[in-house]
Amino acid sequence: ETGVTQSPTHLIKTRGQQVTLRCSSQSGHNTVSWYQQALGQGPQFIFQYYREEENGRGNFPPRFSGLQFPNYSSELNVNALELDDSALYLCASSLQREGGEQFFGPGTRLTVL
Amino acid sequence: RKEVEQDPGPFNVPEGATVAFNCTYSNSASQSFFWYRQDCRKEPKLLMSVYSSGNEDGRFTAQLNRASQYISLLIRDSKLSDSATYLCVFTNQAGTALIFGKGTTLSVSS
Repeated sequence: ETGVTQSPTHLIKTRGQQVTLRCSSQSGHNTVSWYQQALGQGPQFIFQYYREEENGRGNFPPRFSGLQFPNYSSELNVNALELDDSALYLCASSLQREGGEQFFGPGTRLTVL
Repeated sequence: RKEVEQDPGPFNVPEGATVAFNCTYSNSASQSFFWYRQDCRKEPKLLMSVYSSGNEDGRFTAQLNRASQYISLLIRDSKLSDSATYLCVFTNQAGTALIFGKGTTLSVSS
């Protein structure tokens, strides 16, 4: 086990709703990255947070937003959900923001109906 | 050209077989390369980092060819427990994000 936890494990929402996913990083890790993995695809980078600041963003629209808290835990918020947002959302924590090994949590499986 | 390309497979091999996966990448500025393993409906886990000099970890050997922009993974003496999806991964130019391939599915049968 990596020590990275995510909640909830599964979630079902309908189009247009909003969702918040949570991640607790491994002890001592100050960097959290979020990834979206659609069925049959590799994970895609959404964004990274380092010491409560966004530190890089992938090709995702602004309705995907995040937060990192002083204890380095993090939230991913998605507004105006679309059917294509159905995916496994993975959180990864690391000791450093560049080049460090990233440890993944078990993910949150989001289904949008 | 896509950022990273992998043969999706599936590769179906008997126990004891040797199997090789290749992966090509387009960003010559990438600094770090990895192979991750992902079991069905689980999170990806780091299998091994890949270095230009090549590196080995037990039955697994990884190679990086920067000139041709590809990495490879060789698995010798395949076990049933090796059945999984193997993801080719490298970092973006800033070193902050992992860029994943779609993965290659391996199925080892007895």
